[in-house]
Amino acid sequence: GEDVEQSLFLSVREGDSSVINCTYTDSSSTYLYWYKQEPGAGLQLLTYIFSNMDMKQDQRLTVLLNKKDKHLSLRIADTQTGDSAIYFCAESNPLTGGFKTIFGAGTRLFVKA
Amino acid sequence: DGGITQSPKYLFRKEGQNVTLSCEQNLNHDAMYWYRQDPGQGLRLIYYSQIVNDFQKGDIAEGYSVSREKKESFPLTVTSAQKNPTAFYLCASSLTLAGNTEAFFGQGTRLTVV
Repeated sequence: GEDVEQSLFLSVREGDSSVINCTYTDSSSTYLYWYKQEPGAGLQLLTYIFSNMDMKQDQRLTVLLNKKDKHLSLRIADTQTGDSAIYFCAESNPLTGGFKTIFGAGTRLFVKA
Repeated sequence: DGGITQSPKYLFRKEGQNVTLSCEQNLNHDAMYWYRQDPGQGLRLIYYSQIVNDFQKGDIAEGYSVSREKKESFPLTVTSAQKNPTAFYLCASSLTLAGNTEAFFGQGTRLTVV
């Protein structure tokens, strides 16, 4: 079945770049998302990318998509302590109406001052 | 302010009891969802609703029930049949069920069985 995998932890120093990786199995995925979850809170959509795009940049965030390898990454430039959170990768296929959005387990990002 | 509100933030349940988690949105969204989050796991879909008076089971619906009598409200009942209910529950809504619409999440309810 469909699956989304991420590493569980990432630790970086303040000011460095963070790269969070994700792999997915559904080759028909059309939309891929990155969500951020702060402690004790809900998820907030950071960015999303269509599968016909290779890259999307939004201020400090860069999303790279390798559709052949089914690999998605999120790069955060100049990482700040406020970026410490759990980052979820998710994919969905509009053919199934979107309700089958599949989430990864989340990568917990630690930013050291 | 528009948004999606879950209550309560923390909930304690005795074994054998049913409890209901509230989810209200004023975003005029048609679609609403309930997810369960366990440590080290992604979000798993419990139930979803595309429109008032309609809802469908997600991947882990056993032991849960929902209703959608109003567009704004999508309460989740955790029944005594749910064997391991301790988890963080997240409600979400989106304009439609289409894959390109952003889902807005509530702040979550942490349910603990005592």
